[in-house]
Amino acid sequence: DAKTTQPNSMESNEEEPVHLPCNHSTISGTDYIHWYRQLPSQGPEYVIHGLTSNVNNRMASLAIAEDRKSSTLILHRATLRDAAVYYCILIGGANRDDKIIFGKGTRLHILP
Amino acid sequence: EAQVTQNPRYLITVTGKKLTVTCSQNMNHEYMSWYRQDPGLGLRQIYYSMNVEATDKGDVPEGYKVSRKEKRNFPLILESPSPNQTSLYFCASSPGPGPSNNEQFFGPGTRLTVL
Repeated sequence: DAKTTQPNSMESNEEEPVHLPCNHSTISGTDYIHWYRQLPSQGPEYVIHGLTSNVNNRMASLAIAEDRKSSTLILHRATLRDAAVYYCILIGGANRDDKIIFGKGTRLHILP
Repeated sequence: EAQVTQNPRYLITVTGKKLTVTCSQNMNHEYMSWYRQDPGLGLRQIYYSMNVEATDKGDVPEGYKVSRKEKRNFPLILESPSPNQTSLYFCASSPGPGPSNNEQFFGPGTRLTVL
Protein backbone atom coordinates (compact mmCIF):
# COMPACT_ATOMS: atom_id res chain seq x y z
CA ASP A 1 0.00 0.00 0.00
CA ALA A 2 1.09 3.55 -0.68
CA LYS A 3 2.65 5.28 2.30
CA THR A 4 1.09 8.58 1.30
CA THR A 5 -2.47 9.86 0.97
CA GLN A 6 -3.50 12.39 -1.66
CA PRO A 7 -6.86 13.66 -2.94
CA ASN A 8 -7.94 11.90 -6.11
CA SER A 9 -8.40 15.11 -8.06
CA MET A 10 -8.23 18.88 -7.77
CA GLU A 11 -9.15 21.83 -9.93
CA SER A 12 -7.55 25.21 -10.23
CA ASN A 13 -7.81 28.26 -12.43
CA GLU A 14 -5.07 29.17 -14.83
CA GLU A 15 -2.54 31.71 -13.53
CA GLU A 16 -3.51 31.09 -9.92
CA PRO A 17 -1.44 29.30 -7.27
CA VAL A 18 -2.15 25.64 -6.62
CA HIS A 19 -1.58 23.85 -3.33
CA LEU A 20 -1.47 20.06 -3.60
CA PRO A 21 -1.61 18.32 -0.21
CA CYS A 22 -0.07 15.02 0.82
CA ASN A 23 -0.35 13.16 4.10
CA HIS A 24 2.37 10.77 5.21
CA SER A 25 1.70 10.14 8.88
CA THR A 26 3.95 7.06 9.07
CA ILE A 27 7.00 8.77 7.63
CA SER A 28 10.31 7.71 9.16
CA GLY A 29 13.09 10.07 10.10
CA THR A 30 15.16 9.29 7.04
CA ASP A 31 12.41 9.26 4.40
CA TYR A 32 12.71 11.89 1.72
CA ILE A 33 9.49 13.41 0.36
CA HIS A 34 9.42 13.42 -3.42
CA TRP A 35 6.95 14.83 -5.92
CA TYR A 36 6.69 13.65 -9.49
CA ARG A 37 4.15 14.49 -12.13
CA GLN A 38 2.95 12.70 -15.21
CA LEU A 39 1.60 14.62 -18.16
CA PRO A 40 -0.76 12.82 -20.53
CA SER A 41 0.97 10.13 -22.61
CA GLN A 42 4.35 10.75 -21.01
CA GLY A 43 6.58 9.17 -18.41
CA PRO A 44 6.73 10.59 -14.89
CA GLU A 45 8.79 13.73 -14.45
CA TYR A 46 10.62 14.82 -11.30
CA VAL A 47 9.29 17.98 -9.69
CA ILE A 48 10.96 18.46 -6.31
CA HIS A 49 12.06 16.68 -3.15
CA GLY A 50 13.02 17.50 0.42
CA LEU A 51 13.76 16.05 3.83
CA THR A 52 12.89 18.57 6.53
CA SER A 53 13.20 22.12 5.24
CA ASN A 54 11.03 23.80 2.65
CA VAL A 55 12.48 23.65 -0.84
CA ASN A 56 12.15 25.84 -3.91
CA ASN A 57 13.14 25.21 -7.49
CA ARG A 58 12.19 26.58 -10.89
CA MET A 59 9.12 24.35 -11.12
CA ALA A 60 7.58 24.51 -7.68
CA SER A 61 7.94 24.87 -3.92
CA LEU A 62 7.66 22.14 -1.32
CA ALA A 63 6.36 23.03 2.10
CA ILE A 64 7.00 20.37 4.75
CA ALA A 65 5.12 20.39 8.04
CA GLU A 66 7.20 20.69 11.17
CA ASP A 67 6.27 17.16 12.28
CA ARG A 68 6.87 15.95 8.67
CA LYS A 69 3.54 14.11 8.65
CA SER A 70 2.27 16.16 5.74
CA SER A 71 3.59 18.27 2.90
CA THR A 72 2.26 20.58 0.22
CA LEU A 73 3.42 21.06 -3.31
CA ILE A 74 2.93 24.63 -4.43
CA LEU A 75 2.71 25.64 -8.07
CA HIS A 76 2.97 29.40 -7.91
CA ARG A 77 1.16 30.24 -11.11
CA ALA A 78 -0.56 27.33 -12.80
CA THR A 79 -0.64 27.07 -16.57
CA LEU A 80 -2.54 24.67 -18.78
CA ARG A 81 0.69 22.70 -19.16
CA ASP A 82 0.59 21.89 -15.46
CA ALA A 83 -2.47 19.68 -15.92
CA ALA A 84 -1.15 16.28 -14.91
CA VAL A 85 -1.23 13.55 -12.26
CA TYR A 86 0.95 14.56 -9.32
CA TYR A 87 2.50 11.85 -7.17
CA CYS A 88 3.77 12.35 -3.64
CA ILE A 89 6.08 9.50 -2.61
CA LEU A 90 8.45 8.67 0.21
CA ILE A 91 11.86 7.26 -0.55
CA GLY A 92 13.87 5.85 2.30
CA GLY A 93 17.25 7.32 3.12
CA ALA A 94 18.44 4.87 5.75
CA ASN A 95 17.54 1.75 3.79
CA ARG A 96 18.65 2.87 0.36
CA ASP A 97 17.18 -0.22 -1.21
CA ASP A 98 13.63 0.31 0.02
CA LYS A 99 10.90 -0.31 -2.50
CA ILE A 100 9.35 2.79 -4.03
CA ILE A 101 5.56 2.95 -3.95
CA PHE A 102 3.88 5.60 -6.07
CA GLY A 103 0.20 5.34 -5.26
CA LYS A 104 -2.51 6.84 -7.45
CA GLY A 105 -1.65 10.51 -7.17
CA THR A 106 -3.79 13.62 -7.59
CA ARG A 107 -5.15 14.48 -11.01
CA LEU A 108 -4.87 18.26 -11.38
CA HIS A 109 -7.25 19.99 -13.78
CA ILE A 110 -6.45 23.53 -14.85
CA LEU A 111 -9.37 25.67 -15.95
CA PRO A 112 -8.65 28.34 -18.58
CA GLU B 1 21.25 14.48 -24.74
CA ALA B 2 20.88 12.85 -21.32
CA GLN B 3 18.11 10.31 -21.54
CA VAL B 4 16.62 6.94 -20.73
CA THR B 5 15.60 4.95 -23.77
CA GLN B 6 13.32 1.95 -23.98
CA ASN B 7 12.73 -0.47 -26.81
CA PRO B 8 10.35 -1.39 -28.18
CA ARG B 9 7.88 1.40 -27.50
CA TYR B 10 4.93 -0.78 -28.47
CA LEU B 11 4.66 -4.55 -28.52
CA ILE B 12 1.84 -6.98 -29.12
CA THR B 13 2.66 -10.59 -28.39
CA VAL B 14 1.02 -13.88 -27.49
CA THR B 15 0.89 -15.78 -24.24
CA GLY B 16 4.04 -17.75 -23.49
CA LYS B 17 6.34 -16.17 -26.04
CA LYS B 18 9.45 -14.93 -24.25
CA LEU B 19 10.23 -11.25 -24.70
CA THR B 20 12.74 -8.66 -23.52
CA VAL B 21 12.19 -4.95 -23.12
CA THR B 22 15.46 -3.07 -23.16
CA CYS B 23 16.32 -0.01 -21.11
CA SER B 24 19.46 2.06 -21.52
CA GLN B 25 20.66 5.28 -19.90
CA ASN B 26 23.56 7.47 -20.96
CA MET B 27 24.01 9.35 -17.69
CA ASN B 28 26.30 6.87 -15.89
CA HIS B 29 23.62 6.35 -13.25
CA GLU B 30 24.07 3.65 -10.65
CA TYR B 31 20.40 3.10 -9.80
CA MET B 32 17.88 1.75 -12.31
CA SER B 33 14.33 0.56 -11.87
CA TRP B 34 11.33 -0.87 -13.72
CA TYR B 35 7.70 0.12 -13.08
CA ARG B 36 4.39 -0.91 -14.52
CA GLN B 37 1.37 1.34 -14.74
CA ASP B 38 -2.18 0.07 -14.87
CA PRO B 39 -5.45 2.03 -14.81
CA GLY B 40 -6.61 2.63 -11.26
CA LEU B 41 -3.44 1.16 -9.74
CA GLY B 42 -0.88 3.87 -10.37
CA LEU B 43 2.80 3.10 -10.79
CA ARG B 44 4.14 -0.06 -9.17
CA GLN B 45 7.78 -0.98 -8.93
CA ILE B 46 8.77 -4.34 -10.44
CA TYR B 47 12.53 -4.60 -9.88
CA TYR B 48 15.34 -2.23 -9.12
CA SER B 49 19.12 -2.28 -9.24
CA MET B 50 21.44 -0.32 -7.00
CA ASN B 51 24.44 -1.04 -9.22
CA VAL B 52 25.95 -3.58 -11.60
CA GLU B 53 25.18 -7.17 -10.54
CA ALA B 54 22.91 -5.89 -7.74
CA THR B 55 19.19 -6.36 -8.33
CA ASP B 56 16.25 -6.63 -5.96
CA LYS B 57 12.52 -7.18 -6.03
CA GLY B 58 10.08 -4.31 -5.98
CA ASP B 59 6.41 -4.46 -5.19
CA VAL B 60 5.26 -6.71 -8.07
CA PRO B 61 8.16 -8.89 -9.28
CA GLU B 62 6.22 -12.06 -10.09
CA GLY B 63 6.57 -13.14 -13.70
CA TYR B 64 9.51 -10.85 -14.44
CA LYS B 65 13.30 -11.15 -14.49
CA VAL B 66 15.98 -8.54 -14.81
CA SER B 67 19.72 -8.42 -15.21
CA ARG B 68 22.33 -5.71 -14.72
CA LYS B 69 25.53 -6.82 -16.38
CA GLU B 70 26.62 -3.31 -17.31
CA LYS B 71 25.86 0.04 -15.81
CA ARG B 72 23.95 1.53 -18.71
CA ASN B 73 21.54 -1.34 -19.44
CA PHE B 74 18.74 -2.89 -17.40
CA PRO B 75 16.60 -5.23 -19.50
CA LEU B 76 13.23 -6.53 -18.33
CA ILE B 77 12.58 -10.14 -19.28
CA LEU B 78 9.21 -11.85 -19.44
CA GLU B 79 9.97 -15.56 -19.77
CA SER B 80 6.37 -16.61 -20.32
CA PRO B 81 4.13 -13.56 -20.71
CA SER B 82 0.51 -13.78 -19.67
CA PRO B 83 -2.43 -11.44 -20.40
CA ASN B 84 -2.25 -9.96 -16.88
CA GLN B 85 1.14 -8.53 -17.82
CA THR B 86 -0.51 -6.29 -20.39
CA SER B 87 0.52 -2.89 -19.13
CA LEU B 88 2.52 0.29 -19.68
CA TYR B 89 6.10 -0.17 -18.53
CA PHE B 90 8.53 2.54 -17.49
CA CYS B 91 12.25 2.32 -16.86
CA ALA B 92 13.95 4.90 -14.65
CA SER B 93 17.46 5.75 -13.53
CA SER B 94 18.97 7.83 -10.78
CA PRO B 95 22.49 9.03 -9.99
CA GLY B 96 24.60 8.39 -6.93
CA PRO B 97 23.75 5.92 -4.24
CA GLY B 98 20.06 5.82 -5.05
CA PRO B 99 16.84 7.74 -5.57
CA SER B 100 16.25 8.91 -2.00
CA ASN B 101 18.12 12.21 -2.35
CA ASN B 102 18.23 12.27 -6.14
CA GLU B 103 15.98 12.76 -9.10
CA GLN B 104 14.73 9.77 -11.05
CA PHE B 105 14.77 10.08 -14.83
CA PHE B 106 12.06 8.10 -16.59
CA GLY B 107 12.00 6.61 -20.05
CA PRO B 108 9.13 7.20 -22.50
CA GLY B 109 7.38 3.93 -21.71
CA THR B 110 6.69 0.63 -23.45
CA ARG B 111 3.12 -0.37 -24.07
CA LEU B 112 2.86 -4.15 -23.96
CA THR B 113 -0.18 -6.18 -24.95
CA VAL B 114 -0.22 -9.92 -24.32
CA LEU B 115 -2.97 -11.78 -26.16
